[in-house]
Order: sequence, then C-alpha cells, then structure tokens
Amino acid sequence: ETGVTQTPRHLVMGMTNKKSLKCEQHLGHNAMYWYKQSAKKPLELMFVYNFKEQTENNSVPSRFSPECPNSSHLFLHLHTLQPEDSALYLCASSQMNGASPYAQYFGPGTRLTVL
Amino acid sequence: EDQVTQSPEALRLQEGESSSLNCSYTVSGLRGLFWYRQDPGKGPEFLFTLYSAGEEKKKERLKATLTKKESFLHITAPKPEDSATYLCAVQAGEDSNYQLIWGAGTKLIIKP
Repeated sequence: ETGVTQTPRHLVMGMTNKKSLKCEQHLGHNAMYWYKQSAKKPLELMFVYNFKEQTENNSVPSRFSPECPNSSHLFLHLHTLQPEDSALYLCASSQMNGASPYAQYFGPGTRLTVL
Repeated sequence: EDQVTQSPEALRLQEGESSSLNCSYTVSGLRGLFWYRQDPGKGPEFLFTLYSAGEEKKKERLKATLTKKESFLHITAPKPEDSATYLCAVQAGEDSNYQLIWGAGTKLIIKP
C-alpha cells in the first residue's frame, strides 16, 4: 500500500448505528487530519493529530469521536448520526513542524450516507 | 477574517482552449498557498505549493503563479482528462498555525 488509504469507501448507516472509519498513511508523516466535504462547500477541518496527540477539534459534535493509536493510523468513530452528516469524509496526512507550510496528502475518502 | 475565494465556480472549455482559474485570498501573513486537483468521488491530489509573490510552478499543461493578493492556475491547451475540480488552500498566521483555509473550488470541464 502507498500513500493514504481509507476504508470503507462507501458506508450507509441508520441514525442509531455505530460504525468506524479507518485511515492509514504510508508516507512517514507525523500529523493526520479528518475533513468533512459537502457539495459546493470548502473542506471543513474536523480533527488534527500531531504525534498521536489531538491538537485541534473544530467544534465537532460529540457523535464524532476520533482515535489515533499511532502516527500511521487514524479512526473516526460514528454514533447516532444525523442525515445532515451525510458527506465525503477525507483523511489526510502531512509533516508538521511548527507553522511550516507542508502539503497535506489525502486518501480517497469515505462516502457516508445517513438514513 | 481570513478568507479564500475561487472563481469562476465552474468553467467549460473546448479542448485546446487555454484559460486561467483564480484564487484570491485575504489573510495576514501568508506562509504558503496550495493547489489541488480533485476527481469525482476521490480525495484531493496535491499539485503545487507557492510560498512568495512572484513564484511560479509548472507541471505538464498547468502553471501556478502567485501575487500578494491572488494566485492563478493557468491551463494551456487542456485535454478532456484535465476535467476536475481544482481546489486552492492557504496557510497563514503569525504564530504556529498549521490549519489550511480552503476555497470552494472551480469545476473545470474540457469538452473534446
């Protein structure tokens, strides 16, 4: 595997279900990100992890719960979601060294549909 | 408030018809501007990073330029496979701030 991988690619869940999204990066980066992408809107940053420590939580509802067991793996646990949470969820990774501008590299995304 | 605006929202061109996409930004302390390409149902693919006004980067039919207020992505003699949504993002701030400010994208359609 190379780059950033995400599973599953597609997920349909009911509002009472619990599911998890998985992301793995093979780039040797030290930072990982979760983004939400909705149609015709800019990417919304949800969570940032730097060396396994969460450094950002952009006012994301508690029904989204991230987990970062090491610098290569990132999970997003989902429970009691709402239909408006339907979107493309993107994982990304990058180097992070202070405020230096490093490019983020993205996985293919998980298309989530909440019924 | 820091802001990134991309225009046009959508652009339809004939194959071989050159044009430019615009990314204008109002931020304090630009650290870097990024261009990405996104195909339907896929994640964004990194294209370029620009760091300072006057800088240019090239890749095949694409050339990105940067001024103090905006960046252009010039597409020369495009082909249908260049059809995609092009995203612009900016990293800015005086203190340690790694977050990117994203534009909404320009959807480019190249007709054969």
